[in-house]
Amino acid sequence: KAGVTQTPRYLIKTRGQQVTLSCSPISGHRSVSWYQQTPGQGLQFLFEYFSETQRNKGNFPGRFSGRQFSNSRSEMNVSTLELGDSALYLCASSFDPNYNEQFFGPGTRLTVL
Amino acid sequence: TQLLEQSPQFLSIQEGENLTVYCNSSSVFSSLQWYRQEPGEGPVLLVTVVTGGEVKKLKRLTFQFGDARKDSSLHITAAQPGDTGLYLCAGVAGTASKLTFGTGTRLQVTL
Repeated sequence: KAGVTQTPRYLIKTRGQQVTLSCSPISGHRSVSWYQQTPGQGLQFLFEYFSETQRNKGNFPGRFSGRQFSNSRSEMNVSTLELGDSALYLCASSFDPNYNEQFFGPGTRLTVL
Repeated sequence: TQLLEQSPQFLSIQEGENLTVYCNSSSVFSSLQWYRQEPGEGPVLLVTVVTGGEVKKLKRLTFQFGDARKDSSLHITAAQPGDTGLYLCAGVAGTASKLTFGTGTRLQVTL
């Protein structure tokens, strides 16, 4: 069974640009959550999607957005990039939001110059 | 805002030593999870503790959930180099898909 895949693995952008990150959950999993990991703030929850609907959102500005497709794949978008957006963006999938185990992908390392 | 403070932040020990990592919060969680993350990878779930006072053992790792479900500890017996990594606790307060992660403990075990 394939794990959670995230593309791209590495990305370099400049300030002001926008970026789209992709996450393919484990087959059969319908819940996808996104997290941002930085050395200073640690791992912080961004948002959660289930059945193409955003169920929860963390304390991030509106420049951070996401969506989920009918096949459960998810994308997150960051517009008007800032230096502070440099981070490892992790996607996690689970069977459903109440299932106690999430499986994380390897992450996308975003560097903003 | 719910915060989970882990201590110590860094731990460098030799193979065979024992260690304990603590995860503390002023908030109550319905359950608490422990993850280990290695460089270039996402966190991997080690255990979920649900009941206050619960103790779970996973080979050389012992996890405990505080009676009040506000804190937890991870004890490793006879650490090995393969235990090296970033250990993260994560609290579940509502949906299990929205985790509040701790500040992390970076463990290095040397020969």
